[in-house]
Parts: sequence; structure tokens; C-alpha cells
Amino acid sequence: IAGITQAPTSQILAAGRRMTLRCTQDMRHNAMYWYRQDLGLGLRLIHYSNTAGTTGKGEVPDGYSVSRANTDDFPLTLASAVPSQTSVYFCASSDSRQGVTGELFFGEGSRLTVL
Amino acid sequence: GQNIDQPTEMTATEGAIVQINCTYQTSGFNGLFWYQQHAGEAPTFLSYNVLDGLEEKGRFSSFLSRSKGYSYLLLKELQMKDSASYLCAVADSNYQLIWGAGTKLIIKP
Repeated sequence: IAGITQAPTSQILAAGRRMTLRCTQDMRHNAMYWYRQDLGLGLRLIHYSNTAGTTGKGEVPDGYSVSRANTDDFPLTLASAVPSQTSVYFCASSDSRQGVTGELFFGEGSRLTVL
Repeated sequence: GQNIDQPTEMTATEGAIVQINCTYQTSGFNGLFWYQQHAGEAPTFLSYNVLDGLEEKGRFSSFLSRSKGYSYLLLKELQMKDSASYLCAVADSNYQLIWGAGTKLIIKP
């Protein structure tokens, strides 16, 4: 069982370019999340999805969009990358049938550098 | 505003005990989590407290006092592999997780 897979693991991107970070889980979890992690700051929620077909905005959604066409996939798109979006991005999932605060399972992260 | 405070860095000796504190101010409370994150890796779940008291899980224990907005993670019999960052997170009234910046724990032989 792979758990959560993110791709790419690392990417250098020119400012203004469009970029999609992919996230796939095989645990059939209903809830999925995208976080960014920056030095000295806690994980910050970008977008989330409580179930396939629905998405919601987190703490820092500007400049990002997501879709949840099915249970397994939750891609994150940067429409026009800016240097402030340089960060490590983590995708996570949880089974909220354990309670809405069920354990989060994280992908290995995608390190994005915008020049 | 919502806030989670934990020390930036701590140092301890192999075989010893260390306590990592976390204080929080959030709009509502639906549980407190501790996660471990090794450098360059993803966070992994350690513990969840929703009621006051101590939860013990092997060498790791987590304590919660809701009235004080306070938790700690206690690590016993420290091993070199415990060198990592420890993240405190609180679920607020909307069940959204608010994360602390993490405590980097350095273990010395």
C-alpha cells in the first residue's frame, strides 16, 4: 500500500508559469488537504476537500486552486507562480469517519522553488 | 487571533527525559495533536488528546490541561533517532487544525 503519493518531489519553476502538484491516495480517505510549510512557520492550510466533489478554502488560498473529481486524486494548481510560493507543499488525507479530527496521513512533500 | 506557542529548539542527552511544551489560544477546542517530523520528511502522527490528563504510548506520553490551554509531550529514554521536530496542532471550533511552528529537538550522545 503506497498511502499518499505526491509528484513532483522537487521542482524549480520560473515566475509566471503554471504548475500542478499531483496528489494521489489509495486509502479511500474521504478528506484531503494541501498544506505549505515554511521555515519558522507552522503548517498552513491552503485548500481542503471533505469529500469527492467538494472543496474549501483554507488559511492561505490565494494564488492556488484545487479540484476533487474523485476520492483518490487532489491536485493543487498554481495558475501563475510567484516567488512567495516557494515552499514545501504537503498533501494529506484523513478518514473522518474516525471523527472529524482523525489522524492525518501526509505525503512525502513537494519542494517548489519559484525564481 | 488563534495562536500555538512551542519552543523553537531544545537539546537533550541520549537516555534522558525531555518535555516539550505547547500552549494554545484558539476559537474553540476539539482536540490536540502531536506529530513528529524528521528533517526532509513528512510529519507522522504521535498522539491525540481531547480530555484532560496523561496519555501514555510507549516511551512517549502526552498531557493536556484544557483549562490552562496547555499540553506537553514527554519523551523518555531518548534515542538518537528521536532527533526531529515535534509539531503541536489544535483542532478549533470548525475542526480546522491550527499548527505550531514546531520544536526542533537535538539529541546529543
